[in-house]
Amino acid sequence: DIVMTQSPDSLAVSLGERATINCKSSQTVFYSPTNKNYLAWYQQKPGQPPKLLIYWASTRESGVPERFSGSGSGTDFTLTISSLQADDVAVYYCQQYYGIPPAFGQGTKVEIK
Amino acid sequence: EVQLVESGGNLVQPGGSLRLSCAVSGFTFSTYWMSWVRHAPGKGLEWVANIKQDGSEKYYVDSVKGRFTISRDNAKNSLYLEMNSLRVEDTAVYYCARGRPDLRWGGWFASWGQGTLVTVSS
Repeated sequence: DIVMTQSPDSLAVSLGERATINCKSSQTVFYSPTNKNYLAWYQQKPGQPPKLLIYWASTRESGVPERFSGSGSGTDFTLTISSLQADDVAVYYCQQYYGIPPAFGQGTKVEIK
Repeated sequence: EVQLVESGGNLVQPGGSLRLSCAVSGFTFSTYWMSWVRHAPGKGLEWVANIKQDGSEKYYVDSVKGRFTISRDNAKNSLYLEMNSLRVEDTAVYYCARGRPDLRWGGWFASWGQGTLVTVSS
């Protein structure tokens, strides 16, 4: 099974500043025949279901603000919030869909400093 | 509008059983992989099980194998999770989530229900 590990577990960022979340997979999630990384990012606020932000490691879901971006390849990935807004306070998860089971990272809690 | 509505969550004693349902609308249910994902209190998201469009393939996380059964009724636009031999550690909000129609095992989850709470306690 592929294990997803996020860092840090939590971070506090000032409004308007950059927030960076890392995600590492225990084996590659890059599939050569499709030239794609099988990695997604989600945002979850208390009492709500997760919301898809990014898929294919860097493709933003329709309606997701441009301040959210994804990068990385192979086993190391990053979600960046370029200018943190109050509405971005949430827990963020990465998820690999390269193999079964489709595992999530443990989550990173983002708060306002 | 895509909608997924879970039901069936309840308080149950350890060793008991429950059947969760997910009624969907707004998309062609029979063409999508579907999954159950759970969120235990104070913990992260955990994928539980998924099922192929025609029900011919089903996969489970190790911790529920032999105890949970995922199924679907495409004529009723409904997804189910039969949970037996429930344990305290199965306590969680259970979400129904739509996968992709075109990716092996369903890919990412773009649509989710609001969840139904399962509490296993004596």
